[in-house]
Amino acid sequence: DGGITQSPKYLFRKEGQNVTLSCEQNLNHDAMYWYRQDPGQGLRLIYYSQIVNDFQKGDIAEGYSVSREKKESFPLTVTSAQKNPTAFYLCASSKSFDGIFFGPGTRLTVL
Amino acid sequence: DQQVKQNSPSLSVQEGRISILNCDYTNSMFDYFLWYKKYPAEGPTFLISISSIKDKNEDGRFTVFLNKSAKHLSLHIVPSQPGDSAVYFCAASERGAGGTSYGKLTFGQGTILTVHP
Repeated sequence: DGGITQSPKYLFRKEGQNVTLSCEQNLNHDAMYWYRQDPGQGLRLIYYSQIVNDFQKGDIAEGYSVSREKKESFPLTVTSAQKNPTAFYLCASSKSFDGIFFGPGTRLTVL
Repeated sequence: DQQVKQNSPSLSVQEGRISILNCDYTNSMFDYFLWYKKYPAEGPTFLISISSIKDKNEDGRFTVFLNKSAKHLSLHIVPSQPGDSAVYFCAASERGAGGTSYGKLTFGQGTILTVHP
């Protein structure tokens, strides 16, 4: 079954701790993305990667870091520098102009 | 600077009637538009898209209309069903920018659609 998996679905962390969100896809898509959703707002782009070992900042990259060592994987690290990390994080991938497909999301709560 | 706006936070419609969701954009470089449906705590699901070379695209009960001069698009759902109740997001991208920036989408704030039986 092809798709995008994100784990865990819910994540709790203490303030000041770094945390890494997992995203894996078996769709053979070249491009992968991380978006963030806050209540009452649309999705905002954090980082994206068009090819392995390459990635670019999106609109709200501050306080986040990513890596793209494998085509299938695009983990996102939320660092202690991110001022307001509590949000719903969505990973996505795409291959063509046919569209972008989203994973189920991870809700991160910083206590 | 909100480049994509959905000015109606919510919409309530009776089952069987038409639902019309609206979206406005300001960036004239946007040339591809998409609508997504989202349930709470889930990822968005792609519904329908339209290229700027068209003014209408239809897929079953869903039709998207694009008015480039007004920088406005709308999603029509006919007939509306209770299962359509969800948050609907409009999104836009600059496919003409080249590269593989397919997923660099700018989203509106979303409209909560409620379809009553």
